[in-house]
Amino acid sequence: AQSVAQPEDQVNVAEGNPLTVKCTYSVSGNPYLFWYVQYPNRGLQFLLKYITGDNLVKGSYGFEAEFNKSQTSFHLKKPSALVSDSALYFCAVRDRRRNFNKFYFGSGTKLNVKP
Amino acid sequence: NAGVTQTPKFQVLKTGQSMTLQCAQDMNHEYMSWYRQDPGMGLRLIHYSVGAGITDQGEVPNGYNVSRSTTEDFPLRLLSAAPSQTSVYFCASGRATDTQYFGPGTRLTVL
Repeated sequence: AQSVAQPEDQVNVAEGNPLTVKCTYSVSGNPYLFWYVQYPNRGLQFLLKYITGDNLVKGSYGFEAEFNKSQTSFHLKKPSALVSDSALYFCAVRDRRRNFNKFYFGSGTKLNVKP
Repeated sequence: NAGVTQTPKFQVLKTGQSMTLQCAQDMNHEYMSWYRQDPGMGLRLIHYSVGAGITDQGEVPNGYNVSRSTTEDFPLRLLSAAPSQTSVYFCASGRATDTQYFGPGTRLTVL
């Protein structure tokens, strides 16, 4: 069973508009949740994480994400998109109960920000 | 502080050849891992290690071996390369309860 789902292969948004990249997870308990960004021909860069505490997490480059336990979601958001935000975004989860040492990644969402 | 380094950046192999992808980190992280990235499939965990001398399998371990003799190094060995192993390989390291830091990747083509 897939632990992390990113339902959109691609998200298109105009510069200056808000953006949302969706992520849902299917592990029980209280997982650790992460967002990473990948620019072309580069490795993944850490954006933000949720471990515990406040459901709204703020990260790098003005991104934030909201942990919603009832909907098992961890959507990535930004109030005003920039063209330079165009990249591939990955959601990831660590399952505290099953095997904490394994990270499970979603399939990725390509974000296109048009000028 | 170089972070996570990987060599080589690019490699072309013929079917049946063997090779080792190198990964090193200078952050004294106990946790290290190898992923492969294929289009539309995200990153899939191959093997991981929680410390020197300790390794375990991930989601797609077949055809790959690892060892961890030091904290810094975590090489990935392809025993007999197959075209299905054509992919981009990423090494990552981190602390036990924290995020991972990724290397720049190795693009491998198996003919």
